[in-house]
Amino acid sequence: AQSVTQLGSHVSVSEGALVLLRCNYSSSVPPYLFWYVQYPNQGLQLLLKYTSAATLVKGINGFEAEFKKSETSFHLTKPSAHMSDAAEYFCAVSGSNQFYFGTGTSLTVIP
Amino acid sequence: DAGVIQSPRHEVTEMGQEVTLRCKPISGHNSLFWYRQTMMRGLELLIYFNNNVPIDDSGMPEDRFSAKMPNASFSTLKIQPSEPRDSAVYFCASRPAGGPNTGELFFGEGSRLTVL
Repeated sequence: AQSVTQLGSHVSVSEGALVLLRCNYSSSVPPYLFWYVQYPNQGLQLLLKYTSAATLVKGINGFEAEFKKSETSFHLTKPSAHMSDAAEYFCAVSGSNQFYFGTGTSLTVIP
Repeated sequence: DAGVIQSPRHEVTEMGQEVTLRCKPISGHNSLFWYRQTMMRGLELLIYFNNNVPIDDSGMPEDRFSAKMPNASFSTLKIQPSEPRDSAVYFCASRPAGGPNTGELFFGEGSRLTVL
């Protein structure tokens, strides 16, 4: 069975600071992992995905994530936070024709 | 290309009324998912279809909920009778044909349901 755990339901960073959102996965098979972003009153939008190619995945809006099998992690990072990054972020793993989402991390950017 | 289209975007109804939410997936996608999102429970998978066939409806909360996919371009989620605890944002998402474990989900904008 597949699952993901997001550590920290709320993260606050200052504008210009590093963004780090944590995600750990559990999977009995090579996982396919995703990060989604949800802005207020909108649907979920794909940020990036890992499908067993390069372990460092670059996404939209300057975000990237690194797949670390030894740590079963897929943390999301961005070097410098912008005010527009304030949103809810979801980690997800795909398997068995289903998607399994984490509980989400709300990112606040402080000016 | 149009994305996943959901209607209505907002629905306010009274307890006991029937509610029907609609979804048009992206053309060519063969999997469709219905999710419910609330502050308390987060994002919950209600049901998903593969090639118009319901594969897993274990997330459907009660018999008051039903979902259909009569063809590849249309799905409905019905609540009858509705209750205040059904108030939530309901999302539809579709996934393209191909490797089942690689394709991402494409989400609609959601239908915000308020049951008074």
